[in-house]
Amino acid sequence: AQKITQTQPGMFVQEKEAVTLDCTYDTSDPSYGLFWYKQPSSGEMIFLIYQGSYDQQNATEGRYSLNFQKARKSANLVISASQLGDSAMYFCAMREGLNAARQLTFGSGTQLTVLP
Amino acid sequence: DGGITQSPKYLFRKEGQNVTLSCEQNLNHDAMYWYRQDPGQGLRLIYYSQIVNDFQKGDIAEGYSVSREKKESFPLTVTSAQKNPTAFYLCASSDRVNTEAFFGQGTRLTVV
Repeated sequence: AQKITQTQPGMFVQEKEAVTLDCTYDTSDPSYGLFWYKQPSSGEMIFLIYQGSYDQQNATEGRYSLNFQKARKSANLVISASQLGDSAMYFCAMREGLNAARQLTFGSGTQLTVLP
Repeated sequence: DGGITQSPKYLFRKEGQNVTLSCEQNLNHDAMYWYRQDPGQGLRLIYYSQIVNDFQKGDIAEGYSVSREKKESFPLTVTSAQKNPTAFYLCASSDRVNTEAFFGQGTRLTVV
């Protein structure tokens, strides 16, 4: 079974609009962390935002926020005021357990295109 | 500057040859990882190491080998047993304090 599911292979958004990228996860471990990474065409992986399973509030980092719905096992990324430079591949990932040295499991990604 | 360095950026290999991809980090991280990415797809874990002289297989370890003789180095060898090695390879590291994994710039391997 897929541990991380991203159901949107591609998304389009108008510049300056907000966009939500979906991510659902599956784990039986009560302790886990959820991550979003951005991958531009150059290939580097850029860390955007993190949400721990015990965090009471949704994580925010500048224009990025994470809509964490624990009961639904979803961790959607919201990008506000989209910019042309936001066009990239976006990956949701999960780490199970409290040990930060454990590996990340990635979803298949969503290709976001910001239109001028 | 602290970070992860992968080399080379591009690598061409003839069928039947072994090649080694380099990954060096100066972040003093305990854990290091190798991922493979195929076009339009997510990252799949090849091998990971949580401590020097120890490593574990990931989801797609067949045809690959690694070593972890030094904390800062985690080279990946793509052997001739790997039937479809053309892909983008990403190395990452993490420690027990920070939550996120840091990635290198990647190596694009092509079999010719």
